[in-house]
Amino acid sequence: DQQVKQNSPSLSVQEGRISILNCDYTNSMFDYFLWYKKYPAEGPTFLISISSIKDKNEDGRFTVFLNKSAKHLSLHIVPSQPGDSAVYFCAASDEGAQKLVFGQGTRLTINP
Amino acid sequence: EAGVVQSPRYKIIEKKQPVAFWCNPISGHNTLYWYLQNLGQGPELLIRYENEEAVDDSQLPKDRFSAERLKGVDSTLKIQPAELGDSAVYLCASSQGHNGYTFGSGTRLTVV
Repeated sequence: DQQVKQNSPSLSVQEGRISILNCDYTNSMFDYFLWYKKYPAEGPTFLISISSIKDKNEDGRFTVFLNKSAKHLSLHIVPSQPGDSAVYFCAASDEGAQKLVFGQGTRLTINP
Repeated sequence: EAGVVQSPRYKIIEKKQPVAFWCNPISGHNTLYWYLQNLGQGPELLIRYENEEAVDDSQLPKDRFSAERLKGVDSTLKIQPAELGDSAVYLCASSQGHNGYTFGSGTRLTVV
């Protein structure tokens, strides 16, 4: 029962272009969504989040979009930089559970 | 501010042996989590503590896994006996309130 799904295991983007990472969820009780970035041999680090009362949140080069009716969110990185190469995890939570449910991750590679 | 500290970083043991992992959360964070991350997957919650109380251990395999959080600060996660399928990264995280997880670097366990 995979409540949060990232269907693309990997993504390759040219430096300077836009990276779009996608995430789908099934549990309509989720009300908070986060993106984490993970480098090898390190723990996930928080990147950006969005509450279900919003449909967009922006932080510098990173923007997260939420489509509640489609149960879909995406992370846009523009422009993409080589340091953005990492595994990106989508996560969701509902306030009652107070735990994060993670997707499988997408490995992003930025090519120079 | 020091982050979430985990030790050891790496551990290799023979099957059927016991193993323990240690986590020191961020000072003042009442909530502590242990997550399991298998290769190519996202982290999955094993147990969540609110102070010293385990409030969600539904995903912890209690026949071989145990955890404790004495005095509501540091926590240890133990496996006894370890099996080959326990090879994974064990992540500790802490938070204050609903959001704002901070993960440690994890312990990579290899059971041979």
